[in-house]
Amino acid sequence: TQLLEQSPQFLSIQEGENLTVYCNSSSVFSSLQWYRQEPGEGPVLLVTVVTGGEVKKLKRLTFQFGDARKDSSLHITAAQPGDTGLYLCAGAGNTGTASKLTFGTGTRLQVTL
Amino acid sequence: ETGVTQTPRHLVMGMTNKKSLKCEQHLGHNAMYWYKQSAKKPLELMFVYNFKEQTENNSVPSRFSPECPNSSHLFLHLHTLQPEDSALYLCASSLYGDRGHGYTFGSGTRLTVV
Repeated sequence: TQLLEQSPQFLSIQEGENLTVYCNSSSVFSSLQWYRQEPGEGPVLLVTVVTGGEVKKLKRLTFQFGDARKDSSLHITAAQPGDTGLYLCAGAGNTGTASKLTFGTGTRLQVTL
Repeated sequence: ETGVTQTPRHLVMGMTNKKSLKCEQHLGHNAMYWYKQSAKKPLELMFVYNFKEQTENNSVPSRFSPECPNSSHLFLHLHTLQPEDSALYLCASSLYGDRGHGYTFGSGTRLTVV
């Protein structure tokens, strides 16, 4: 069974602060995705990383895929209240299950004024 | 609106009731999924359909019965549920086999079993 552990589980910060969320596994994934979920809604895809060592930037968000494709990180610069939500990483299987995602345990972020 | 529509948004049902959840997408995706999201647990995969054929049943109890009449529609039929089945049920779709393609989720059905 592939497991994805996210840390921290909860994070409460003030507007303007920086933060990093980690997603770790002992399994290798063919790709890794990050989602954000707001209360009462389904998760929304933020980014997909496919190549080991890959770094992608989405405005103030920076995503990195580990060299061994077992872990990933999400860094947010100058957090804003609109960044509040549940952040989920999800890994895609390596062979034959390319579209079956295993979701991480989640990081709940609250950004206050 | 994400392109994946789930109805109803909220459902309260007794343990002896029968109800169905509906999911619809017109994104041209060929795979559809049911996930269960409970408090303090990761999203749990329930069923996977690829080109309307079920390819995965993740040891889900038989009181949950999926149906996929075509690549655009997915149902989850519920009967004799237990209170611990109360959760947010999420439907998603994707392009099967494309590891670079993410899921598009619906807004979910918040189910309460009383």
